Amino acid sequence: SSELTQDPAVSVALGQTVRITCQGDSLTKYYANWYQQKPGQAPRLVIFGKNNRPAGIPARFSGSRTDNTAALTITGARADDEADYYCNSRDSSGIQHWVFGGGTRLSVL
Amino acid sequence: QVQLQESGPGLVKPSETLSLTCTVSGSLNSHYWSWIRQPPGKGLEWMGYVYESGSTQFNPSLKGRLSMSVDASRNQFSLHLTSVTAADTAVYYCASLVLIANYFDNWGQGTLVTVSS
Repeated sequence: SSELTQDPAVSVALGQTVRITCQGDSLTKYYANWYQQKPGQAPRLVIFGKNNRPAGIPARFSGSRTDNTAALTITGARADDEADYYCNSRDSSGIQHWVFGGGTRLSVL
Repeated sequence: QVQLQESGPGLVKPSETLSLTCTVSGSLNSHYWSWIRQPPGKGLEWMGYVYESGSTQFNPSLKGRLSMSVDASRNQFSLHLTSVTAADTAVYYCASLVLIANYFDNWGQGTLVTVSS
């Protein structure tokens, strides 16, 4: 099965740009999708596919991919962006199996 | 916007079966309905999906213990996990899977299930 690797924690100064990465072999075949999770809440989809935002997600969230690494970029981080962020994709082994990264805790300083 | 709501016991004894139901506001048609769990303080784990037809796909790590079903007349789908241990203590989320693009677009609020005697 595939694994997706994320840095456990990242910090960003208020108003600055931060990049949260997700690495895995399956990302050479499938796009990563990104979820934001705040304490006590369910995950919320923020980026899907190549670089698509669901309705209501601000334009400061964007996604990209290079080789086996996907990135979620937050441009102009706000205090409200402090949360855990998870990537997900499909397993590349051929079976129908979906995987998540271990999550990145974003601190906005 | 589809809304999902989990329901079921919050406490299950070891070796027993954990059963949860997800009620969907809207039709179950043309969606893949998934269960995802999150142990306290840990990450997300996809458990499996059930399609409107009743066909299923499960995480290999849970095969043999997991079953899922759908009740279209009630707009509900269910999860049954047998022989639970403390390692199955988690927040359980139901979610809709957009299979063609591999993302989960709508999530329930989650329900905490504790396995303890």
